[in-house]
Amino acid sequence: GDSVTQMEGPVTLSEEAFLTINCTYTATGYPSLFWYVQYPGEGLQLLLKATKADDKGSNKGFEATYRKETTSFHLEKGSVQVSDSAVYFCALRGAQGAQKLVFGQGTRLTINP
Amino acid sequence: NAGVTQTPKFRVLKTGQSMTLLCAQDMNHEYMYWYRQDPGMGLRLIHYSVGEGTTAKGEVPDGYNVSRLKKQNFLLGLESAAPSQTSVYFCASSYGLPWANVLTFGAGSRLTVL
Repeated sequence: GDSVTQMEGPVTLSEEAFLTINCTYTATGYPSLFWYVQYPGEGLQLLLKATKADDKGSNKGFEATYRKETTSFHLEKGSVQVSDSAVYFCALRGAQGAQKLVFGQGTRLTINP
Repeated sequence: NAGVTQTPKFRVLKTGQSMTLLCAQDMNHEYMYWYRQDPGMGLRLIHYSVGEGTTAKGEVPDGYNVSRLKKQNFLLGLESAAPSQTSVYFCASSYGLPWANVLTFGAGSRLTVL
């Protein structure tokens, strides 16, 4: 079945550092891909998405490109802030009208001032 | 702007007790979901519903039951709680296809089973 694998956490960076969180997936056909973010004490929120190969999703300075050849959707940000500290989840919705999302295990990010 | 509301936020149960978690949404969403979140395992889908009166099993349905008698409510029941069900439970909702990928989540319900 469909699955998502994220890099192991936790990840700790200093403010203004470059961020990459790796995400790879296994799915048949052409899934849609997403990054969700969970801030402390809150539910998950959609951060960005891409629905076809080579699409780039972006929001709040974060970017991720849908790479079908490497089955990847890595999250990047050029200069992180303390307020970016959260847990990040990669997710996919399978092709052919799949009715539910499949999530990765989450990566906890801590940014130190 | 309530969105998705979960009650209760915290609960402690003894093994064998029963309880129901309530999820309510005011966005007229068709689809509703119950996930559990455990350390190192991300979110796993328990049950979901694609409309009033319908339910379907997700990835980890054993030990749970659900009901969707009204479109705005999705109930998750534990008939005989076990320590393995200690977790944080998230309810989510979305419009139907093709917008089913944009989920709105509640703030979570933390359940501890002793």
